[in-house]
Amino acid sequence: DIVMTQSPDSLAVSLGERATINCKSSQTVLYSSNNKNSLAWYQQKPGQPPKLLIYWASTRKSGVPDRFSGSGSGTDFTLTISSLQAEDVAVYYCQQYYGNPLTFGGGTKVEIK
Amino acid sequence: QVQLVESGGGVVQPGRSLRLSCAASGFSFSSYGMHWVRQAPGKGLEWVAVISYDGGNEYYADSVKGRFTISRENSKNTLYLQVNSLRAEDTAVYYCAKDGGTSLGSSFDYWGQGTLVTVSS
Repeated sequence: DIVMTQSPDSLAVSLGERATINCKSSQTVLYSSNNKNSLAWYQQKPGQPPKLLIYWASTRKSGVPDRFSGSGSGTDFTLTISSLQAEDVAVYYCQQYYGNPLTFGGGTKVEIK
Repeated sequence: QVQLVESGGGVVQPGRSLRLSCAASGFSFSSYGMHWVRQAPGKGLEWVAVISYDGGNEYYADSVKGRFTISRENSKNTLYLQVNSLRAEDTAVYYCAKDGGTSLGSSFDYWGQGTLVTVSS
């Protein structure tokens, strides 16, 4: 199984500041056939289901604010919130879909400082 | 708009069974793979199972293999999860989720609100 490791477990950021979340996979999730990374990011607010933010490591889902961006390749990935807003308080998860079983990182809780 | 509505959860004794359902609308249900993902109270997300658009292929997490069965009824736009031989560690919110691509494993682009299964004597 591909193990997804997120860091940090939690972070507190001031409003308007940058938040950076890291995700590392135990093996590459880069498809050589299409040169795309099979990596997604989700946001989960309390009491709500997860919501897809980013897929193929850096493609923002339609309707997701452009302050959210994804980067990285191979085994190391980053989700960046460029200017944290109050509504961004949530737990963020990375997920690989390179192979079965599909696996998630342990989550990163983002709070306001 | 895409809607996924789960039902069938509840409190059940260890060793018993339940059938979870997920009613889908707002998209061509028969064209997409569908997944079940669960989340134990206060914990992270765990993928459970996937079924192809036509029901011809299924895959399961090792933790549920042999006990859970995913199925679908395209004529009713409904996804199911038969959960047997329940254990305390199966206690979780069970979400159905739509596959975002055309393969059997992709990102999950839409999620239901979830149904809670509590296994307790």
